[in-house]
Amino acid sequence: ELKVEQNPLFLSMQEEKNYTIYCNYSTTSDRLYWYRQDPGKSLESLFVLLSNGAVKQEGRLMASLDTKARLSTLHITAAVHDLSATYFCAASGNTPLVFGKGTRLSVIA
Amino acid sequence: GAVVSQHPSWVICKSGTSVKIECRSLDFQATTMFWYRQFPKQSLMLMATSNEGSKATYEQGVEKDKFLINHASLTLSTLTVTSAHPEDSSFYICSANQGTGQPQHFGDGTRLSIL
Repeated sequence: ELKVEQNPLFLSMQEEKNYTIYCNYSTTSDRLYWYRQDPGKSLESLFVLLSNGAVKQEGRLMASLDTKARLSTLHITAAVHDLSATYFCAASGNTPLVFGKGTRLSVIA
Repeated sequence: GAVVSQHPSWVICKSGTSVKIECRSLDFQATTMFWYRQFPKQSLMLMATSNEGSKATYEQGVEKDKFLINHASLTLSTLTVTSAHPEDSSFYICSANQGTGQPQHFGDGTRLSIL
């Protein structure tokens, strides 16, 4: 059974500092996804990572995948208030997506 | 880009009422759609996989007679919550993807409140 663990679950970030969210999954997964969710809203797709060593960047966010370690990271560079949201990673193999518990990010001045 | 439309976005109804939620893929065909439920401050929990032209696959613990899923066309799946009770109040989200390796696109969600 595929399980996905995220940490930390809560992250209070100071503006302009860097942070990393970690996502571990338990069994072989074909794909790793990162999503953002704002309060009261649905999910917005951020990244799809398909292979070992994949790295994708969009603005202040960068995601990477290490399939050997079964680990993906979401790195936040120079946090700004607009990044406050809940971030989910999700993995899938021959199964539908399995989500982590989410990381609630708050950026403080 | 690909868009998944979900309707309605908000429902408030009395206990015992049945509620239907629609999920449409607007510019692509989806043989498979997914229904999730999300309680406040929790993650998404997969309820069922909706398969066009065949029966849905339900996750363990999800009552198939209570949560009826119909996927009659390649662009529409419906979830009907039958005889809804307050404990069914939640945020229901559908999703679909265009193919292998593509991200799942999520509908805007339906907030269901049962009084």
